[in-house]
Amino acid sequence: GAVVSQHPSRVICKSGTSVKIECRSLDFQATTMFWYRQFPKQSLMLMATSNEGSKATYEQGVEKDKFLINHASLTLSTLTVTSAHPEDSSFYICSARGIAGGDTGELFFGEGSRLTVL
Amino acid sequence: GQNIDQPTEMTATEGAIVQINCTYQTSGFNGLFWYQQHAGEAPTFLSYNVLDGLEEKGRFSSFLSRSKGYSYLLLKELQMKDSASYLCAVVDSNYQLIWGAGTKLIIKP
Repeated sequence: GAVVSQHPSRVICKSGTSVKIECRSLDFQATTMFWYRQFPKQSLMLMATSNEGSKATYEQGVEKDKFLINHASLTLSTLTVTSAHPEDSSFYICSARGIAGGDTGELFFGEGSRLTVL
Repeated sequence: GQNIDQPTEMTATEGAIVQINCTYQTSGFNGLFWYQQHAGEAPTFLSYNVLDGLEEKGRFSSFLSRSKGYSYLLLKELQMKDSASYLCAVVDSNYQLIWGAGTKLIIKP
């Protein structure tokens, strides 16, 4: 099946620094990528939807200046957490929908990135 | 508004059968997914239903009734490794996925 690679899988950073997380579709072109965050024992919370070559659409309550999303190519989207704070510590997961998923909406998920802000 | 309901937690015995229900109210319907998620990992795809009826795939089966806004995931011959959260997600009229909160399944020996 389709493969989505997310990197890094774990990152620890100091408060105030910025962290970039990459999401790559390895064997298909991802026209749309989604970024989620998940707190312990909670469901996935959609942060933003990005379409290749256009600005991301952020969900209500998500600060677009803090969570910068770039989807510059059909195989790569990046999420940058700027000026990270301890409350940003979470599990960030990307997913991609593209030709491999057809129009069914099936999403292919990356492995997730666990961010810990000290 | 859009709403997906599924039980928060269920407990079952190894070797038994368990059914996880999901009811939904969404703006349009273009299919329903079930995903499995182990703690600390990303979700993995289990099934996709767009037509009414039962889809069987090994130990897992998924059922859909569009008229009732209802689906269930049936897990047979439960194994300890099936302990996970099971997420129900509906594709709405805009082809966006609406997620349920997930059902945590606990398997006891």
